[in-house]
Amino acid sequence: SQQGEEDPQALSIQEGENATMNCSYKTSINNLQWYRQNSGRGLVHLILIRSNEREKHSGRLRVTLDTSKKSSSLLITASRAADTASYFCATADRGSTLGRLYFGRGTQLTVWP
Amino acid sequence: DTAVSQTPKYLVTQMGNDKSIKCEQNLGHDTMYWYKQDSKKFLKIMFSYNNKELIINETVPNRFSPKSPDKAHLNLHINSLELGDSAVYFCASSLGTAQAQPQHFGDGTRLSIL
Repeated sequence: SQQGEEDPQALSIQEGENATMNCSYKTSINNLQWYRQNSGRGLVHLILIRSNEREKHSGRLRVTLDTSKKSSSLLITASRAADTASYFCATADRGSTLGRLYFGRGTQLTVWP
Repeated sequence: DTAVSQTPKYLVTQMGNDKSIKCEQNLGHDTMYWYKQDSKKFLKIMFSYNNKELIINETVPNRFSPKSPDKAHLNLHINSLELGDSAVYFCASSLGTAQAQPQHFGDGTRLSIL
């Protein structure tokens, strides 16, 4: 299937540490998106990286993309307890015009105070 | 103001019943979606409407029927509910269908079948 796979499935760290999550996907893409889901809530869009970009920053977030390996990583620096959530990557097939996104099962990040 | 709102938030019902979930967005978006998230957090698209026209219809039992009365509303009706329908159903919207458009999600409807 086209869904992405996040790794690790779960990550537990202390406040102040950095958290790195990885995503692998299977098809050629135009861009890749990362979303966050707090417990009991809907997904929230964090950042989008285009296939011609290798790295992108937004606040404490840093996303990298390696299209040759079909993989992306999300780094959260100086994590806070409020960063505790599930993080999902989402891709769409190159050339798709329907808005269909494929999500993985996410990485559950727990940040301990 | 909530951008994408779903009702109800919780739905507990018995097998065989028929139920509906409603979704409304006030973002002025043209495209709306229904997703199903299972107990392992796997999120899968079910349907998508663009300007009230059905554009994505994944392999979903025909007991599930979406309906979009206008661009701001997308409802989901489920007939003859089964145990396997237990999940969290999310509504989402985006400005359009272009790939670079982020999707905005509601907080989900937790459906439990007894």
